[in-house]
Amino acid sequence: NAGVTQTPKFQVLKTGQSMTLQCAQDMNHNSMYWYRQDPGMGLRLIYYSASEGTTDKGEVPNGYNVSRLNKREFSLRLESAAPSQTSVYFCASINRGADEKLFFGSGTQLSVL
Amino acid sequence: SQQGEEDPQALSIQEGENATMNCSYKTSINNLQWYRQNSGRGLVHLILIRSNEREKHSGRLRVTLDTSKKSSSLLITASRAADTASYFCAYYSNDYKLSFGAGTTVTVRA
Repeated sequence: NAGVTQTPKFQVLKTGQSMTLQCAQDMNHNSMYWYRQDPGMGLRLIYYSASEGTTDKGEVPNGYNVSRLNKREFSLRLESAAPSQTSVYFCASINRGADEKLFFGSGTQLSVL
Repeated sequence: SQQGEEDPQALSIQEGENATMNCSYKTSINNLQWYRQNSGRGLVHLILIRSNEREKHSGRLRVTLDTSKKSSSLLITASRAADTASYFCAYYSNDYKLSFGAGTTVTVRA
């Protein structure tokens, strides 16, 4: 039972490069989330997907795009990475309405030089 | 910006002591949740309290909720070294948008 799987675990980018962070869950959850966490801070919501086929902006969406590829997968794309996007990124999922617990992946540590 | 505040930001206690942390929020809520994060790991759900509940227990955890003051507290009793972690409150600001507080870092000294 893998839960929420994020790849990669670590990534170093140069300013201006692009990349996609992958997230997949095997719990048949309907809602998925992307958060970023900066040192000493809590989590800030980037984007979320309430259900397959829908995505919505969170608190800090600028510089990011997302795709809810299917019920299992929710990817986060940085089109032109900036040093301000250096952070730890967490994907999470929940079966909103059935179970209120959010399940988290183990995170992706991203450095933009 | 985050919609909630937690205090204290950091807490250092001796093993066996109790740890109390507080969370304030700004919106109406149906429930409030607490999560724990061990260093460098993803968050783990600890406990949920619904808006019609005032207090809830789970093992050594006790959560209170005061909707009139828009605040919640988490008490960890008889702390252990393994309780060293960051603790976050979380609540829905709309049906699906789950927002987190800034967290309280708890260090339990042996």
